[in-house]
Amino acid sequence: QQQVKQSPQSLIVQKGGISIINCAYENTAFDYFPWYQQFPGKGPALLIAIRPDVSEKKEGRFTISFNKSAKQFSLHIMDSQPGDSATYFCTGSARQLTFGSGTQLTVLP
Amino acid sequence: NAGVTQTPKFRVLKTGQSMTLLCAQDMNHEYMYWYRQDPGMGLRLIHYSVGEGTTAKGEVPDGYNVSRLKKQNFLLGLESAAPSQTSVYFCASSHTVEGSYEQYFGPGTRLTVT
Repeated sequence: QQQVKQSPQSLIVQKGGISIINCAYENTAFDYFPWYQQFPGKGPALLIAIRPDVSEKKEGRFTISFNKSAKQFSLHIMDSQPGDSATYFCTGSARQLTFGSGTQLTVLP
Repeated sequence: NAGVTQTPKFRVLKTGQSMTLLCAQDMNHEYMYWYRQDPGMGLRLIHYSVGEGTTAKGEVPDGYNVSRLKKQNFLLGLESAAPSQTSVYFCASSHTVEGSYEQYFGPGTRLTVT
């Protein structure tokens, strides 16, 4: 049972463009939604996170939008840079992390 | 601070062989986790530990065993490796699982079972 569905699987964006990754969850027990970023050959690292009592969280060029009623949330990367090229995972937490399947982002120079 | 370290980085096993993956953390974290990462499937939790001497099953525990004899170490064992266990294995740790917590991941172990 895939409790966190993530799309798209891959995304190619031009430098300066906006990258958007979407996720939907099923488990209403999730109370924390962190996003992890993974570079090739490395372990994932926390990028940004949101709790379901807020609809948006922004940190620099990264913004999470959260729709609790629809059980959907998304990551927006503004002014995407080649250094943002990585795999992004949305997750839901109910004391354990459940990962989405990942989105491989490529930002072209 | 080394954070979370994993040994070995790479390993090739033949079907039926056994091995142990070692994870160590120097952050005094209570919680430790083992995940496997397969293409198109994200990370899936194998086993986890909420403290020294305790372990629990995750989403995909079959074929694996774990031990947490010391707070800083979490071992993952494969008693009889199968090709289906070819994967990249990540260890992680966290101070808590409440509130806005962060899991810290190691660099991974790439295991190939032939």
